[in-house]
Amino acid sequence: NAGVTQTPKFRVLKTGQSMTLLCAQDMNHEYMYWYRQDPGMGLRLIHYSVGEGTTAKGEVPDGYNVSRLKKQNFLLGLESAAPSQTSVYFCASSYAVNTEAFFGQGTRLTVV
Amino acid sequence: AQSVTQPDIHITVSEGASLELRCNYSYGATPYLFWYVQSPGQGLQLLLKYFSGDTLVQGIKGFEAEFKRSQSSFNLRKPSVHWSDAAEYFCAVGAGNNFNKFYFGSGTKLNVKP
Repeated sequence: NAGVTQTPKFRVLKTGQSMTLLCAQDMNHEYMYWYRQDPGMGLRLIHYSVGEGTTAKGEVPDGYNVSRLKKQNFLLGLESAAPSQTSVYFCASSYAVNTEAFFGQGTRLTVV
Repeated sequence: AQSVTQPDIHITVSEGASLELRCNYSYGATPYLFWYVQSPGQGLQLLLKYFSGDTLVQGIKGFEAEFKRSQSSFNLRKPSVHWSDAAEYFCAVGAGNNFNKFYFGSGTKLNVKP
């Protein structure tokens, strides 16, 4: 039962570097989400996708890009990392409307 | 705009005592409501959800929550807390025209005293 898998689990970047976070789900879910979690702020939606080939902006999209080329994968990219992007990133997926989201274990990213 | 408020940042209860975690939401239509739990270093796990029907919903691990439309609340309760319940709890509301977004509260961290 893999569910939602995020890679990597930890990463340290220097300011200005780029990286891609990978999210993979094996539940055939249509909807996928990227959140960031910061102390005292709960989870904030960065981008989401309602199906293969589609993406949309969430609450805090600036500085991030996403792609959903395959239904099972949702990639989050940071083109030029900034210290403000230090956070824990969670990917989630859901089957359809009116269903709960399943979460990955998170990626702890530090930008120095 | 949709929002979710969890007024208690930290709560400490003694093992065996009852628990109530508060959640208030702001949403124009009938909301879809969720409670998730996050153990340290882990992702979020669904405890329970409310979509419609009976306003008292039962979840896993002995938790329940009651939807009160008049108070815009969806408080989480447990009659007797166990030490393993120590975690952070998040209330969330499903929103958007096609319900394709979740909005989360800022979380309540629960400590359990022996």
